[in-house]
Amino acid sequence: EPEVTQTPSHQVTQMGQEVILRCVPISNHLYFYWYRQILGQKVEFLVSFYNNEISEKSEIFDDQFSVERPDGSNFTLKIRSTKLEDSAMYFCASRRASSNSPLHFGNGTRLTVT
Amino acid sequence: SQQGEEDPQALSIQEGENATMNCSYKTSINNLQWYRQNSGRGLVHLILIRSNEREKHSGRLRVTLDTSKKSSSLLITASRAADTASYFCATDSTTDSWGKLQFGAGTQVVVTP
Repeated sequence: EPEVTQTPSHQVTQMGQEVILRCVPISNHLYFYWYRQILGQKVEFLVSFYNNEISEKSEIFDDQFSVERPDGSNFTLKIRSTKLEDSAMYFCASRRASSNSPLHFGNGTRLTVT
Repeated sequence: SQQGEEDPQALSIQEGENATMNCSYKTSINNLQWYRQNSGRGLVHLILIRSNEREKHSGRLRVTLDTSKKSSSLLITASRAADTASYFCATDSTTDSWGKLQFGAGTQVVVTP
């Protein structure tokens, strides 16, 4: 069964550094998402992306965050200047175009900011 | 407001027993989805129930939805040690864009052999 793949599985970075988290969504999916889960907390929506533009973003998704679909397969989340509080598990997800279709999540990237 | 709150927070059962967990939510929904997460891993989609459905089955899973009470339940029958995981409900609200899910805090299920 097709899967959403994310790399790297674990990223350690210093505060103030830029990080790029990478995702390859399922190939026939058209909607892409980033969610995050801070340790011990709920999974939170960050951003949704469709037709090469952001559809919706949460309050968390400030100017330090950006997303890009640089080619036909990859979907990236960039954090320009990481903060300690950005430490979390970041999940990429995708879904088909039809309404009421479930999200398929990747295994996540654990980001540790020191 | 909190959306998608599960109870109990933790559940410990023996293999072969049934596990039931509940989810309450506050807004009008298009659908409600249940996910499983093994420790430190990704979210695995289990089942999606639409707002006009009342019950859905998938293998050993049974999900109910009561939109009048804004609640859902997930039943795992004949549990196995491999069912040990955290289970989350997530709502797809009519006031949000499709796929913008609101997750609950989850129910941690431990199944002992």
